[in-house]
Amino acid sequence: DVKVTQSSRYLVKRTGEKVFLECVQDMDHENMFWYRQDPGLGLRLIYFSYDVKMKEKGDIPEGYSVSREKKERFSLILESASTNQTSMYLCASSTGGNQPQHFGDGTRLSIL
Amino acid sequence: KNQVEQSPQSLIILEGKNCTLQCNYTVSPFSNLRWYKQDTGRGPVSLTIMTFSENTKSNGRYTATLDADTKQSSLHITASQLSDSASYICVVRGGSYIPTFGRGTSLIVHP
Repeated sequence: DVKVTQSSRYLVKRTGEKVFLECVQDMDHENMFWYRQDPGLGLRLIYFSYDVKMKEKGDIPEGYSVSREKKERFSLILESASTNQTSMYLCASSTGGNQPQHFGDGTRLSIL
Repeated sequence: KNQVEQSPQSLIILEGKNCTLQCNYTVSPFSNLRWYKQDTGRGPVSLTIMTFSENTKSNGRYTATLDADTKQSSLHITASQLSDSASYICVVRGGSYIPTFGRGTSLIVHP
């Protein structure tokens, strides 16, 4: 079974902090994604990566950056956390084509 | 602009009853449509995928339909169980790398 592991289930940070969210997948997938999920808005794509060191902006990249130094690991960085970045963050991986995305169980991030 | 609209936004049914969730999309060109189930506190998990040539596909008590002409899909749940309580998300992939997500239907099954 594909496993996508997010480093924290819950995280509380303060405004202005630099925040790192880590995601690791164990199936050698080329593609990895970061989403945020808010009530009533569904999943919105922040960034995705289709190869090591490659990254592409999604629909809402402002205030975020990403890093993919190894194929299995995709990190989301909040450069200077703000309260409007309080949300559920989901990481996913896939091989592309008609294959499904495999999601982690999410990190619920609160910015105080 | 590619859009995926799901209805209803939320639904409450009694255990054992059937229900149908709807998904309308404007994604073009069309590649495939996938239904995901998301349990509370978990990530979404794929239930089924529909491609252009498929009209109906079943996965246990879940049956998905696709009408590519009207750009509509439905997910029918038969003999609902308490474990069916979840959010159901319709996702459509077109010509680009990135699929378009619906906002989901929240289903609650009461005993």
